[in-house]
Amino acid sequence: GAVVSQHPSRVICKSGTSVKIECRSLDFQATTMFWYRQFPKQSLMLMATSNEGSKATYEQGVEKDKFLINHASLTLSTLTVTSAHPEDSSFYICSARDFRGAQHFGDGTRLSIL
Amino acid sequence: GDSVTQMEGPVTLSEEAFLTINCTYTATGYPSLFWYVQYPGEGLQLLLKATKADDKGSNKGFEATYRKETTSFHLEKGSVQVSDSAVYFCALSDTGANSKLTFGKGITLSVRP
Repeated sequence: GAVVSQHPSRVICKSGTSVKIECRSLDFQATTMFWYRQFPKQSLMLMATSNEGSKATYEQGVEKDKFLINHASLTLSTLTVTSAHPEDSSFYICSARDFRGAQHFGDGTRLSIL
Repeated sequence: GDSVTQMEGPVTLSEEAFLTINCTYTATGYPSLFWYVQYPGEGLQLLLKATKADDKGSNKGFEATYRKETTSFHLEKGSVQVSDSAVYFCALSDTGANSKLTFGKGITLSVRP
């Protein structure tokens, strides 16, 4: 089946650091990938839609300069949290949409900012 | 806009008990409906789905029927196992080339031996 690899699975870093998270579709091409943020015991909040070869579409209230998204190929999207602060600590999940329209999710990245 | 409402949790059951998790939705048009499961520390896995009214999705003993008249997609399982302990999310997807998933808040299920 379709596999999405998300890396790293866990990051702990100091305040002010920029952190890059990768999302790869391993056995299919994905023109569209999604980035979600999940707060403890809460639902997934869609942050942005990443489109290969074009700018990402951000949801209302998400700072595009804070959360940089790059979708340079049909199998890779990256999310960079710039100058991260403790309030950015969260669980970030990506998904990739296949040609049938189904979304396949990565295992998530636990980001902890000290 | 589209929205998904799930019953409040958490839910704790004994092994082999019957499970029902309620889910209702609000959407324009004819969305597809999904149940996703999230095991501790992991991402989401698709559990089952239904794409049109009266469709029944099923997987691993779980079932849910797309009820357009009541705008519901309740998840059921006749006999839960300890391994079913996880967080369950109901979701809908609008149709079209730019379809996106809208998730409910999720509900934590704990199954006791």
